[in-house]
Amino acid sequence: QQPVQSPQAVILREGEDAVINCSSSKALYSVHWYRQKHGEAPVFLMILLKGGEQKGHEKISASFNEKKQQSSLYLTASQLSYSGTYFCGTGKASDMRFGAGTRLTVKP
Amino acid sequence: EAQVTQNPRYLITVTGKKLTVTCSQNMNHEYMSWYRQDPGLGLRQIYYSMNVEVTDKGDVPEGYKVSRKEKRNFPLILESPSPNQTSLYFCASSPGRGNQPQHFGDGTRLSIL
Repeated sequence: QQPVQSPQAVILREGEDAVINCSSSKALYSVHWYRQKHGEAPVFLMILLKGGEQKGHEKISASFNEKKQQSSLYLTASQLSYSGTYFCGTGKASDMRFGAGTRLTVKP
Repeated sequence: EAQVTQNPRYLITVTGKKLTVTCSQNMNHEYMSWYRQDPGLGLRQIYYSMNVEVTDKGDVPEGYKVSRKEKRNFPLILESPSPNQTSLYFCASSPGRGNQPQHFGDGTRLSIL
């Protein structure tokens, strides 16, 4: 079953913060986050494993709460280059389910 | 350079005319998969392969075939394409089982008229 992402879209000014959520109705053991810029392939950002460990990539970090079956992606002091669609993926590579995506637009 | 290469990048064709989208990776990855991406639906898995000669259906396999005769190649075959298969297709690979990041190709935009 596909994880649910929220919000569907968000518009920010440069320097503002954003949070993207990903929740699943099934037990989670790991969550993958990818970013896709318009017309390009999705690019891997990070994997979070069971245990609630936070990871970071540039000024982007994420948390994973397996009890709540959800993960959140935190974008701090957003830059123009952060614009794109963010996807979470749950499950192993062989049966990965992706959320519908969150479109993030960062304006000057 | 480590990459996943898809061909063609764009294709416009007609209903019923068999087509093949090729996918090749140079990272010696065991796992490969095909996804289709449609507006509002995200990425949906069509087929995946855990290794040579091992393939299995994903969530939306109807109308598609795949083969994995060599580790590096994983072609997607549409025997009799229909308009509802108009979509953006991505091939991906990863080192193996478990929690490994997937590397995506640049995508193939198919239009079936």
